[in-house]
Amino acid sequence: KQEVTQIPAALSVPEGENLVLNCSFTDSAIYNLQWFRQDPGKGLTSLLLIQSSQREQTSGRLNASLDKSSGRSTLYIAASQPGDSATYLCASTDAGNMLTFGGGTRLMVKP
Amino acid sequence: SQTIHQWPATLVQPVGSPLSLECTVEGTSNPNLYWYRQAAGRGLQLLFYSVGIGQISSEVPQNLSASRPQDRQFILSSKKLLLSDSGFYLCAWSVAGTGTISQPQHFGDGTRLSIL
Repeated sequence: KQEVTQIPAALSVPEGENLVLNCSFTDSAIYNLQWFRQDPGKGLTSLLLIQSSQREQTSGRLNASLDKSSGRSTLYIAASQPGDSATYLCASTDAGNMLTFGGGTRLMVKP
Repeated sequence: SQTIHQWPATLVQPVGSPLSLECTVEGTSNPNLYWYRQAAGRGLQLLFYSVGIGQISSEVPQNLSASRPQDRQFILSSKKLLLSDSGFYLCAWSVAGTGTISQPQHFGDGTRLSIL
């Protein structure tokens, strides 16, 4: 059974810092790895999706990488802003398009 | 463009009362549909998924059931709510994947359910 872990559980950084969020998974037979953002009391917003054949995806200040062999993905946020404060979730997708979520990293960017 | 709607946004129900949460998707046909629950202090857990009308698969045995009476409508129900049913319920949809290319899931805004 797939297990997804995110470290750290919470992170507080000053505005402008570059930061890395980590995601690890136990079963490397994934179809894709998806990163989401969740604001308090809200649903999930998809940020980036990396297919299993890809190594990374970029969108604006966000860059996500995937290393299937080591069971790891990272989300890199450049020049963080207070508006980036949210919980970030990673999820692996299996052959049946089922998502297994990590516990999330709660990010606080201080002005 | 595709949109997903969930309602209500919040709901407070007494223990033992029935439940019906609705989710609809617009702008796409024959989507895969999913119900998730996010309990306090816990991660997101898949409850049900559906690949077509009347086709429901359950991931976790529980007090809840799901139905898909129409192509783009997914309903989460319970006959008698328990305290442990409290949580944040999220509906999601995706296009069916082809081969090894899987499709992203897109989430609604969720329903916060409190059981008293």
